[in-house]
Amino acid sequence: GAGVSQSPSNKVTEKGKDVELRCDPISGHTALYWYRQSLGQGLEFLIYFQGNSAPDKSGLPSDRFSAERTGGSVSTLTIQRTQQEDSAVYLCASSFSSAAYEQYFGPGTRLTVT
Amino acid sequence: AQSVTQLDSHVSVSEGTPVLLRCNYSSSYSPSLFWYVQHPNKGLQLLLKYTSAATLVKGINGFEAEFKKSETSFHLTKPSAHMSDAAEYFCAFSGGYQKVTFGTGTKLQVIP
Repeated sequence: GAGVSQSPSNKVTEKGKDVELRCDPISGHTALYWYRQSLGQGLEFLIYFQGNSAPDKSGLPSDRFSAERTGGSVSTLTIQRTQQEDSAVYLCASSFSSAAYEQYFGPGTRLTVT
Repeated sequence: AQSVTQLDSHVSVSEGTPVLLRCNYSSSYSPSLFWYVQHPNKGLQLLLKYTSAATLVKGINGFEAEFKKSETSFHLTKPSAHMSDAAEYFCAFSGGYQKVTFGTGTKLQVIP
């Protein structure tokens, strides 16, 4: 079956603009995760969804970052008033029901803020 | 608090020699442990996972890892490195049901 997909694959935006990143998880996976990976860095946890609820938003770096999930499926990560330090690869992952299960990762969205 | 530590940021081995990538965890919960691999410009792919069954876990591409509770370790090994193993490897830990904590990664270089 289809894996996790993310769009766009690459996004170049000007500082101060808003961007939306999209994640389509594997069908039937109730848990969805967003991570940020900066150049040469490990994975930085951003937010976790169980269904449409976000029990853990602790990783969102600032109030410019928000995310939502609708229908227990697609999720969007929105970054408002982008800054150059937001440049990174944003990875989405889904898992069957909880963190006890392995995560399946999408290919990521490479965001460049100029 | 739960945490995971990858002890080496870079490991270099010759092709055909053994690979050892080290991972230690800290948690008061019974953990689920994972190893993921990331090739350049790709997403992460699961290599193997431990979820309280057998302590020696076999994964894809000849990799395996052994869960040692007394040492709080989950080191990744492979008997013979191949050029295609060059990548970044992440150890990940879940002590509950809501969050997975990833290590900072180990970049594996394989020298021909």
